[in-house]
Amino acid sequence: ETGVTQTPRHLVMGMTNKKSLKCEQHLGHNAMYWYKQSAKKPLELMFVYSLEERVENNSVPSRFSPECPNSSHLFLHLHTLQPEDSALYLCASSQWTPGVTEAFFGQGTRLTVV
Amino acid sequence: DQQVKQNSPSLSVQEGRISILNCDYTNSMFDYFLWYKKYPAEGPTFLISISSIKDKNEDGRFTVFLNKSAKHLSLHIVPSQPGDSAVYFCAASAGGGGADGLTFGKGTHLIIQP
Repeated sequence: ETGVTQTPRHLVMGMTNKKSLKCEQHLGHNAMYWYKQSAKKPLELMFVYSLEERVENNSVPSRFSPECPNSSHLFLHLHTLQPEDSALYLCASSQWTPGVTEAFFGQGTRLTVV
Repeated sequence: DQQVKQNSPSLSVQEGRISILNCDYTNSMFDYFLWYKKYPAEGPTFLISISSIKDKNEDGRFTVFLNKSAKHLSLHIVPSQPGDSAVYFCAASAGGGGADGLTFGKGTHLIIQP
């Protein structure tokens, strides 16, 4: 299997639930990202992990908690979400090299909070 | 305030003609620009990029032009094909390799008419 894979593809959760999104990259990259795409908004960077350390937080609410156990895996733990958190959550990876910034995306998890 | 702007939400072009998608940016620190293509229910896929040291980059039917003084870039697709129908995102990076993540525009929905 190649590229960036995300599971699950679709998720419906209640506001009191706890769930996790999973991302795995098979590209040998050393940086991984979570992006959020809401309707009629640009993709918003949520978290950056480079060399397994969080680099940027971007003021994301604490109900979103990332975890990067190794360079190939990235999780987004969700708890007590709000309906406005419903969106497409995209994982991406890239090779952190000066001048090279192409990020490769997974297919995303469509999250609905009810 | 949006740092990357795509002012045309949609664009309709006849098959075989040229498609021109435009993007403007405000952050002078951006030095690497990318175009992504997105089909429904899929993640964005990388299309073409350009560094700020260049003003043109070509890859097959796709050419990206960069006008740094105007803080403007454009993507030309010629000839346009039905499979090009998708949402196109302009993205920019302020250097530092992949760790900075990308700043995206809202996207332009390109529709190729037969």
